[in-house]
Amino acid sequence: GAVVSQHPSRVICKSGTSVKIECRSLDFQATTMFWYRQFPKQSLMLMATSNEGSKATYEQGVEKDKFLINHASLTLSTLTVTSAHPEDSSFYICSANALDRDYGYTFGSGTRLTVV
Amino acid sequence: GENVEQHPSTLSVQEGDSAVIKCTYSDSASNYFPWYKQELGKRPQLIIDIRSNVGEKKDQRIAVTLNKTAKHFSLHITETQPEDSAVYFCAASPVTGGGNKLTFGTGTQLKVEL
Repeated sequence: GAVVSQHPSRVICKSGTSVKIECRSLDFQATTMFWYRQFPKQSLMLMATSNEGSKATYEQGVEKDKFLINHASLTLSTLTVTSAHPEDSSFYICSANALDRDYGYTFGSGTRLTVV
Repeated sequence: GENVEQHPSTLSVQEGDSAVIKCTYSDSASNYFPWYKQELGKRPQLIIDIRSNVGEKKDQRIAVTLNKTAKHFSLHITETQPEDSAVYFCAASPVTGGGNKLTFGTGTQLKVEL
């Protein structure tokens, strides 16, 4: 089956620093990548949608200059949390979708970010 | 955009009983409705999905029903077991020709008690 590898699984960083999260599709071409954020005991909230080779589309209320998304190839998308603050601590998870996979969504394993 | 509401937020059942979780959606363009099970700190796992051209789908102890006219769909788990305890999310997605955005419901914490 389709696999999306997400790294790191856990990261602790200091306030003001940046953190990069990577998602790789291992056995299919991820035409579209979705980035979600999930706070404790809450649902998955879509942050942005990225298509390979183009700029990401951000959901309302998500700061595009703070959450930088790059989808430079069909197998790799990255999310960089810049100038992280404690309120950015959350579970970040990616989901890949390919044009040739009817309705298929494959989720990464998630990244637990803690900003201290 | 799409708005998905989910009820109840918590559900406790006795082992062997049935559990039902209900969702409503707002966008009539949505036609794909998956259900996910998520354990603490893990990724959502697809347990069943349904598309708008069918009204019901069953997979062993799990079934999903869809009423497109009323814009609601439900998850039914029969003969519940302790390992069914988890958070369950419904979701909805419209057809946009690929790269469909998935909108999640608010989640249901299911606890199956011995």
